[in-house]
Amino acid sequence: DTAVSQTPKYLVTQMGNDKSIKCEQNLGHDTMYWYKQDSKKFLKIMFSYNNKELIINETVPNRFSPKSPDKAHLNLHINSLELGDSAVYFCASSPRDRVTGELFFGEGSRLTVL
Amino acid sequence: KQEVTQIPAALSVPEGENLVLNCSFTDSAIYNLQWFRQDHGKGLTSLLLIQSSQREQTSGRLNASLDKSSGRSTLYIAASQPGDSATYLCAVYNFNKFYFGSGTKLNVKP
Repeated sequence: DTAVSQTPKYLVTQMGNDKSIKCEQNLGHDTMYWYKQDSKKFLKIMFSYNNKELIINETVPNRFSPKSPDKAHLNLHINSLELGDSAVYFCASSPRDRVTGELFFGEGSRLTVL
Repeated sequence: KQEVTQIPAALSVPEGENLVLNCSFTDSAIYNLQWFRQDHGKGLTSLLLIQSSQREQTSGRLNASLDKSSGRSTLYIAASQPGDSATYLCAVYNFNKFYFGSGTKLNVKP
């Protein structure tokens, strides 16, 4: 039973299109994240939600819009896709406890913009 | 701002060797530090989590240490195996964020 699942796993699309990636966690965690991993494998946080409330919004173009319908789901919608958006996007979740809070990742969604 | 550095960026060892991966961070005000493994084309799998009050954690052939005052952590892998080949990342948690290093790519040769 997958703890953090995201769909789709692969996404190939043309510049200018709009696309969404969905994420669900069944761990009962309060906090969910979106990370972007570039070609050099560097992971950068994009957004964080705590119980449906946005708590972190890094310097991300406003073409990226996260939506959390409930604390188990965090979706990412991207408008007007650009070549530079090509990357692997990871969803993750962690419990509220900061000391013991362990981060769990989904398998990633590889986005290729042509 | 917290910065996390991992050295070396890549490491190649023969099977059976013991090895150490390094992680350093600039701000010692952390809640915890976590080591992950990432296989090629896959997500990150948590290996060990060390709370800020702890000095080390062990799981099987893996041992992670934490020295908050010097801003350092090491991941020790005993008796390495080809199946250990992957990228290893460390992350520190403070101020609602996990800050990641860029990883060490490990290749264990049979």
